[in-house]
Amino acid sequence: DIQMTQSPSSLSASVGDRVIITCRASQDITTNLAWFQKKPGKAPKSLIYAASISQSGVPSRFSGGGYGTDFILTISSLQPEDFATYYCQQYYIYPLTFGGGTKVEI
Amino acid sequence: QISLKESGPTLVKPTQTLTLTCTFSGFSLSTSGVSVGWIRQPPGQALEWLALIFWDGNTEYSPSLKSRLTITKDTSKNQVVLTMSNMDPVDTATYYCVRRLKTIIRGFDHWIFSDPWGQGTAVTVSS
Repeated sequence: DIQMTQSPSSLSASVGDRVIITCRASQDITTNLAWFQKKPGKAPKSLIYAASISQSGVPSRFSGGGYGTDFILTISSLQPEDFATYYCQQYYIYPLTFGGGTKVEI
Repeated sequence: QISLKESGPTLVKPTQTLTLTCTFSGFSLSTSGVSVGWIRQPPGQALEWLALIFWDGNTEYSPSLKSRLTITKDTSKNQVVLTMSNMDPVDTATYYCVRRLKTIIRGFDHWIFSDPWGQGTAVTVSS
């Protein structure tokens, strides 16, 4: 199985801050990576796929990048509604695997 | 308008079999490139992929749970059913179903989970 490692596991930030979350795959997954936002009691929301392509309707402050084993999710200016847990997920090979999550808190 | 909704018991006893149904609308699971998957999240833990069923009936399972899982579809009813046998308290989680689509980017296939997801159904395993 491909292990997905996110860092940090949690971070504290303020509204307006630039936030960067990293995700490392245990083997090369080219750009077969997606990012999701998860809020308590809500379904996950798809943000990014193919490492850097935003899903329709996702605010432009969210961006993704990376290739191979190292990926980042950037929130350029944190908004109150962005406080949530973020997950990366590889879909290069089965089993599909998620990272452990990064909780973004005030 | 695309929607998915999970249904099933909220409480099951250890060793019992869980049956969850995903009822969807706005798309067809007989369309090439479409699949439906199940993902769960135990309380305070990360998301975990469980199973997928494709438009052509093919299936994929998490290897760690494969012996306990069965995913089937009823295209005429727009439903996908997941059964998980021999339930244990560690299986307590919120279970989500979600549509997965194939898209082609720079000549390569990308299979992506696509919003909206189902609202999720919370399952507790306890005697």
